[in-house]
Amino acid sequence: GAGVSQTPSNKVTEKGKYVELRCDPISGHTALYWYRQSLGQGPEFLIYFQGTGAADDSGLPNDRFFAVRPEGSVSTLKIQRTERGDSAVYLCASSTRPGQGAHEQYFGPGTRLTVT
Amino acid sequence: EDQVTQSPEALRLQEGESSSLNCSYTVSGLRGLFWYRQDPGKGPEFLFTLYSAGEEKEKERLKATLTKKESFLHITAPKPEDSATYLCAVQLRGDSWGKLQFGAGTQVVVTP
Repeated sequence: GAGVSQTPSNKVTEKGKYVELRCDPISGHTALYWYRQSLGQGPEFLIYFQGTGAADDSGLPNDRFFAVRPEGSVSTLKIQRTERGDSAVYLCASSTRPGQGAHEQYFGPGTRLTVT
Repeated sequence: EDQVTQSPEALRLQEGESSSLNCSYTVSGLRGLFWYRQDPGKGPEFLFTLYSAGEEKEKERLKATLTKKESFLHITAPKPEDSATYLCAVQLRGDSWGKLQFGAGTQVVVTP
């Protein structure tokens, strides 16, 4: 079946501009996560959605970052006034509802964001 | 503070030369430990979930084990196609939402 998809695969933008990154999770997965991965590092958690609501946004670095998931499926990560330090690969993952057990997450290919 | 540390940072192996990767963790309570494989330019690919000390999982040339303080990923008789970065991650028992906390990864290169 179809996996997690992310668009665009690459995005180059100028410092100060606004960008949107899109994630389409696996069909039927209610849990959706965004992570950010810098070169040579493991992914770092940004935000978690259960359905339409952001249940945990503790990983967002500041208020320039915002994410939505209006219909409980596709999610968009929005970054305002981009800075060079925002350059990284942004990964999206989806999972069945976490519940009480440990549930693996399935990742998309990522969006490589470069801020010049 | 919860921490996940992987070693070594990089590993170069000859084809057929078995080795092990280490993931040590210091967490308040473990719900699950995950291993992922990541190829250059791609997202992490799920390999295994381990839930409790003593548990083992196998898939082809890979075998993952778990103790109370660390996990090992054993690669038996590796082939060049096993070259990748291997990531381990933990989910904490106190976290209702299941976010993953990753180590920095071990980059494995297998030469013919």
